[in-house]
Amino acid sequence: ETGVTQTPRHLVMGMTNKKSLKCEQHLGHNAMYWYKQSAKKPLELMFVYNFKEQTENNSVPSRFSPECPNSSHLFLHLHTLQPEDSALYLCASSQDTSPYEQYFGPGTRLTVT
Amino acid sequence: EDQVTQSPEALRLQEGESSSLNCSYTVSGLRGLFWYRQDPGKGPEFLFTLYSAGEEKEKERLKATLTKKESFLHITAPKPEDSATYLCAVQALGGGATNKLIFGTGTLLAVQP
Repeated sequence: ETGVTQTPRHLVMGMTNKKSLKCEQHLGHNAMYWYKQSAKKPLELMFVYNFKEQTENNSVPSRFSPECPNSSHLFLHLHTLQPEDSALYLCASSQDTSPYEQYFGPGTRLTVT
Repeated sequence: EDQVTQSPEALRLQEGESSSLNCSYTVSGLRGLFWYRQDPGKGPEFLFTLYSAGEEKEKERLKATLTKKESFLHITAPKPEDSATYLCAVQALGGGATNKLIFGTGTLLAVQP
């Protein structure tokens, strides 16, 4: 595997379900990010981890819970989501937090029914 | 408030017809400006980073330029495979420990053969 990988690529879940998104980076980077991409809207930064420590929580509802066990892996735990949470969730990584370019994974297309 | 505006929202070109995409930004101080390409159903792919006014970078048919208020992505003699959404993002000075990128909504480019 190379670059940034995300699983699953597609996820359909009910509002009462609990699921997790997984991201893995194979670039030796130290910082990892979660973004939300909705139609006609700019990418929204959700969380930032640098050296496994969360350094940014961009006012994200508590039904989204991130976890970063090491610099290569990032999870987004989902529970009791709303239909408006349906979007493309993108993971990214960078060598450090500033001002290095971020490299994105292919995303998880989430549909909440 | 830091802001990024991209224009046009959509652009249709004939193969070989050169044009430019615009990214206007308002930030308290610019740490870096980034261009990405995004294909449908995929994550953004990094293209360029620009740091200071007057800087230019090139890659194949693409050239990015930067002034104090905007950046242009020039596409010379485009081919159908250049069709994608092009995203611009800025990182502001004083962003703290995070590499927070502020994204525009993108320009959807379609190149017809």
